[in-house]
Amino acid sequence: NAGVTQTPKFRVLKTGQSMTLLCAQDMNHEYMYWYRQDPGMGLRLIHYSVGEGTTAKGEVPDGYNVSRLKKQNFLLGLESAAPSQTSVYFCASTLQGAYTEAFFGQGTRLTVV
Amino acid sequence: KQEVTQIPAALSVPEGENLVLNCSFTDSAIYNLQWFRQDPGKGLTSLLLIQSSQREQTSGRLNASLDKSSGRSTLYIAASQPGDSATYLCAVGSGAGSYQLTFGKGTKLSVIP
Repeated sequence: NAGVTQTPKFRVLKTGQSMTLLCAQDMNHEYMYWYRQDPGMGLRLIHYSVGEGTTAKGEVPDGYNVSRLKKQNFLLGLESAAPSQTSVYFCASTLQGAYTEAFFGQGTRLTVV
Repeated sequence: KQEVTQIPAALSVPEGENLVLNCSFTDSAIYNLQWFRQDPGKGLTSLLLIQSSQREQTSGRLNASLDKSSGRSTLYIAASQPGDSATYLCAVGSGAGSYQLTFGKGTKLSVIP
């Protein structure tokens, strides 16, 4: 049972390039989340999904897009990367939103130069 | 808006000592509170989940308490070991829509052999 898997683990982008981060969970969870973690800022919610085919904005959505075409996958896209998007990105999933235990992936360290 | 505070930001203790980590939150209307552990360069691992109707949860050497009315939770670690060294984060589930987890910035614990 893999839990939550993020791909890739590390990436370096040039300013203006695009990329997609993939999150996959095998626990049949309804809710999925993308967070970014920055020193001194803690974890901040970018986007989330309450089920297949749904997405919603979190606290810091600008510059990111997401899609949840399949229940087990949640994709985070950067259309035109900026240095301010240098961060560690975490995906998480829960069975019933904030009511139940959250499971996190191992993170993606993204550097934009 | 829910705010979660963890004090101190860092803590260093000798091996074998019992210790308490603190978490406070501003809005007492929570569904639950979770404690997580994060090792350097890794994702978050859930340690304990306390529902709003509970007062405490125990797992091995860990005991988490919740006082919803005062907006406080503590994580008690008994007989600390060097392997306990990590950053500990608390998160509360609250707010309309039942999706939102609000995180504290964490306490970095170092257990000195």
